[in-house]
Amino acid sequence: QSALTQPPPVSGSPGQSVTISCTGTSSDVGGYDYVSWYQQYPGKAPKVIIYDVRNRPSGVPDRFSGSKSGNTASLTISRLQAEDEAEYYCCSYAGDSWVFGTGTKVTVL
Amino acid sequence: EVQLVESGGGLVQPGGSLRLSCAASGFPFSTFEMNWIRQAPGKGLEWVTYIGAGTARHYADSVKGRFTVSRDNAKNTLYLQMSRLRAEDTAVYYCTRGGGVIPRLWFDPWGQGTLVTVSS
Repeated sequence: QSALTQPPPVSGSPGQSVTISCTGTSSDVGGYDYVSWYQQYPGKAPKVIIYDVRNRPSGVPDRFSGSKSGNTASLTISRLQAEDEAEYYCCSYAGDSWVFGTGTKVTVL
Repeated sequence: EVQLVESGGGLVQPGGSLRLSCAASGFPFSTFEMNWIRQAPGKGLEWVTYIGAGTARHYADSVKGRFTVSRDNAKNTLYLQMSRLRAEDTAVYYCTRGGGVIPRLWFDPWGQGTLVTVSS
């Protein structure tokens, strides 16, 4: 149950796009189409923004999109806005367990 | 409105025990899978345990044999009994909802969390 690997902090200017990768193994990310992404503001509980690799819950802007290739999933935030500055975590089902990513801080310049 | 409210956190000595509760409302609790997820101070998220609507339970290796998840459907409450606590169990513990009649392997919503501090 090793944590999924996410990149160090990323930043972008308003209007730009950023992509966060999430690398696991064939036992988690690569083995299931059950990757979800969570947004967390400081001192707050996480909130799901993508589930089942690419689906957005109601109310999540379409600026957020997800994809997966092999053992790596990705979250892309398009048309970056100030409110997108937060920590982002990926999560994958791993067969009777779940594993989270290491987290990536997104800063809006 | 779907709501999850955790309680029971606090300061406990290494080797001690603590029971967390999560009061659920706004949905048919008995038909939903539930999970506990924790976050050590300044660290990332870690899945801790799952309990199904039936008898299924799963645990992270880091807590197996020390933590027990249970539920009281009559009280719409989820529990986490923690024993033989270690310093590395110090974290905010979140209660989260999983799938119901429609299976889903993601977590929504989350409670506000309750802080457990293991220290002498």
